[in-house]
Amino acid sequence: GENVEQHPSTLSVQEGDSAVIKCTYSDSASNYFPWYKQELGKRPQLIIDIRSNVGEKKDQRIAVTLNKTAKHFSLHITETQPEDSAVYFCAASKAAGFQKLVFGTGTRLLVSP
Amino acid sequence: EPEVTQTPSHQVTQMGQEVILRCVPISNHLYFYWYRQILGQKVEFLVSFYNNEISEKSEIFDDQFSVERPDGSNFTLKIRSTKLEDSAMYFCASTGLTGGPADTQYFGPGTRLTVL
Repeated sequence: GENVEQHPSTLSVQEGDSAVIKCTYSDSASNYFPWYKQELGKRPQLIIDIRSNVGEKKDQRIAVTLNKTAKHFSLHITETQPEDSAVYFCAASKAAGFQKLVFGTGTRLLVSP
Repeated sequence: EPEVTQTPSHQVTQMGQEVILRCVPISNHLYFYWYRQILGQKVEFLVSFYNNEISEKSEIFDDQFSVERPDGSNFTLKIRSTKLEDSAMYFCASTGLTGGPADTQYFGPGTRLTVL
């Protein structure tokens, strides 16, 4: 089955710096890649997603890139702010029908003022 | 904005007891999921449900687990005889009409299950 690896497990940056989180997936049939942000004790919330027919997607300070050949995708956060501090999970899902999300192991991002 | 809701927020139970976790998916959604997250670990898929039957289940979802949609709004997860290792946060999620990868999975706030 699908396996999603995520790095780094923790990431500390100064406010205003950029942060990059990387994920790799194993199943070439996966074609949907969402990113969820989870604050302490809260539900995962979708922040951005990308489908396999697109190489890059941007939404204000966050962007996601996808390399289908290498089977990896990355989350980029620019101009980080303390409120970006949270755990970020990548996930992968297959193309057709009714499909589960397979999550990565998470990255704890800490943005220091 | 509509949200998935879950009750209770925290459930404490003794090992061997049955628990039922309840979810109310977003009203026009047809596809439902349960995930769990052991403290400090990743979110893991348990089961997906559509048209009153299980579509897929993981190896975690053994005979001790069952799901049900008892009425038009609730979606429940039952654990028949809880074990210590069932202690986790359980998230319900739902998606819209097509159920394909184009549909965002919206997560509920979770039920923290503690088995003593």
